[in-house]
Amino acid sequence: GAGVSQSPSNKVTEKGKDVELRCDPISGHTALYWYRQSLGQGLEFLIYFQGNSAPDKSGLPSDRFSAERTGGSVSTLTIQRTQQEDSAVYLCASSAYSNQPQHFGDGTRLSIL
Amino acid sequence: GNSVTQMEGPVTLSEEAFLTINCTYTATGYPSLFWYVQYPGEGLQLLLKATKADDKGSNKGFEATYRKETTSFHLEKGSVQVSDSAVYFCALDGSGNTPLVFGKGTRLSVIA
Repeated sequence: GAGVSQSPSNKVTEKGKDVELRCDPISGHTALYWYRQSLGQGLEFLIYFQGNSAPDKSGLPSDRFSAERTGGSVSTLTIQRTQQEDSAVYLCASSAYSNQPQHFGDGTRLSIL
Repeated sequence: GNSVTQMEGPVTLSEEAFLTINCTYTATGYPSLFWYVQYPGEGLQLLLKATKADDKGSNKGFEATYRKETTSFHLEKGSVQVSDSAVYFCALDGSGNTPLVFGKGTRLSVIA
């Protein structure tokens, strides 16, 4: 498709499990961003990729969070040993260059039981 | 650092009412400013943007003017519709390799 694709759209898992969230950006977009949207908290920046490198990881909330991007395309966000406070909608966005408008996917709704 | 402050919601309006959602920013340099909209169950969509002072962004009847003197980018629409019910986010893009800085969002509900 033409837009940013995220999978799964919903994920329910038990506390302590690891989860992997996937983002497939718009073809040709070099910049990729992960955000977290918690109820009533707005959008929280997590990490940003330019190509395969991550110049800004400042938003990752703890060392349980990691992300990678391969081939300048698909990115995965991994959360290890999930906690209930990790429950949120995780949004991915991509842009042609780092200072161009970002295009968002529909997000992954993560629920930790 | 860069920051965005927008009016808290929720905002409830009757159909055809006038809408204003205030947004002010703090930034060094000359940022670009954006409004994004999130309809229920969907991701964010770019609604409009402005890249320099006095620019007016417009789309779907919505407008916002980049006011450097008041560091504001207020969103307006002359006559809202039920289909405009959504969460609206003001955002700033500083120069260089920086991600967007978002406001906390304003939920708009339009009733018939």
